[in-house]
Amino acid sequence: QQQVKQSPQSLIVQKGGISIINCAYENTAFDYFPWYQQFPGKGPALLIAIRPDVSEKKEGRFTISFNKSAKQFSLHIMDSQPGDSATYFCAARRGTSGNTPLVFGKGTRLSVIA
Amino acid sequence: GAVVSQHPSRVICKSGTSVKIECRSLDFQATTMFWYRQFPKQSLMLMATSNEGSKATYEQGVEKDKFLINHASLTLSTLTVTSAHPEDSSFYICSARAPAGGGPETQYFGPGTRLLVL
Repeated sequence: QQQVKQSPQSLIVQKGGISIINCAYENTAFDYFPWYQQFPGKGPALLIAIRPDVSEKKEGRFTISFNKSAKQFSLHIMDSQPGDSATYFCAARRGTSGNTPLVFGKGTRLSVIA
Repeated sequence: GAVVSQHPSRVICKSGTSVKIECRSLDFQATTMFWYRQFPKQSLMLMATSNEGSKATYEQGVEKDKFLINHASLTLSTLTVTSAHPEDSSFYICSARAPAGGGPETQYFGPGTRLLVL
């Protein structure tokens, strides 16, 4: 049973365009939703995260939109650049203390082409 | 930000041998560390949760006698793959939890260790 479903599996976006990745979850006990960026051969790096009491969070070119009633959240990358080409994972976790493990989506391979 | 290191970054070993992977929190004390495994082009799968000074909690399907985890200090956790087989070849990633007060995101990931068993 996959607790966090992520789509699309892969995405190709033109330079300057908007990249949109979606995730859905089932467990209503989840209350922390981060997005990670991973380059080949590297560990995942935190990109941006949101709590369910907020519907949107923006940091630079990255925005998370959160829909609690639909149990969905998405990552928007504005003005996508070739350097953004990487695999992106959404995740979810119960509790905010960091003691509980993250549950990851299957990942989205983003390619930004010039 | 907090830094987590892993050693080695890559290791190649013969089938049947044991391999030890270290995960260190460099600038903070980690009461909890997590070990993940990632196969090519797949997501991270949690293997176990280790708390300093106590036995690790393994996820269903992960053999605790094969994947030995030791969290003997607040800055070091080790994963030993015993009697490694080719199917154990994977990317192993640890994450470490910083003490309370570090903000909502208090887990930091290491750079990963690529294991190839011949």
